Amino acid sequence: QKEVEQDPGPLSVPEGAIVSLNCTYSNSAFQYFMWYRQYSRKGPELLMYTYSSGNKEDGRFTAQVDKSSKYISLFIRDSQPSDSATYLCAMTSTTDSWGKLQFGAGTQVVVTP
Amino acid sequence: DAEITQSPRHKITETGRQVTLACHQTWNHNNMFWYRQDLGHGLRLIHYSYGVQDTNKGEVSDGYSVSRSNTEDLPLTLESAASSQTSVYFCASSEGQGRITFFGQGTRLTVV
Repeated sequence: QKEVEQDPGPLSVPEGAIVSLNCTYSNSAFQYFMWYRQYSRKGPELLMYTYSSGNKEDGRFTAQVDKSSKYISLFIRDSQPSDSATYLCAMTSTTDSWGKLQFGAGTQVVVTP
Repeated sequence: DAEITQSPRHKITETGRQVTLACHQTWNHNNMFWYRQDLGHGLRLIHYSYGVQDTNKGEVSDGYSVSRSNTEDLPLTLESAASSQTSVYFCASSEGQGRITFFGQGTRLTVV
């Protein structure tokens, strides 16, 4: 079983809808949680970064972490065609070696005009 | 602006050949990583380094090696390329506790 599970999609939504993405994980030591956006044939770029449990908002993006359920989410409000990309969750722990990220498989999102 | 540069962006090589992928970062980060990305697997860690002369194996290190002779560069070498190593390779770097990680644009390697 993988440490981080993520539905690969594709997830297709109409423009303006809310995109809801999530990951589950098994390692209770994970404390740092990230969401990366990856456009086709490009490198991943960091979208959101949260520590421990709680919510974080940045513009149209909201990241949520529920450590008790080992579940993290990313919401994209008022989605745009430019949000069409693959979204990768990643996480690491305070006990693990610095910067060694565990990634989900990525969810492909398609926002249709 | 600081960045991570990977070269080449695309490479086709034959089974059994030695191949080296270059990674150069201008962030002055101590931590550098190599990941491979395959459909259904996401990004998997190959090797990483926390500084000059330091190298460590990741979860999929068999058949790969790295060396760190300066802060800016971490070349990845495939000792004897195999078809199973056909993949997209990403170099990354981070500073300090390393939670903020930056990625290069990737190298698409095909082994025929």
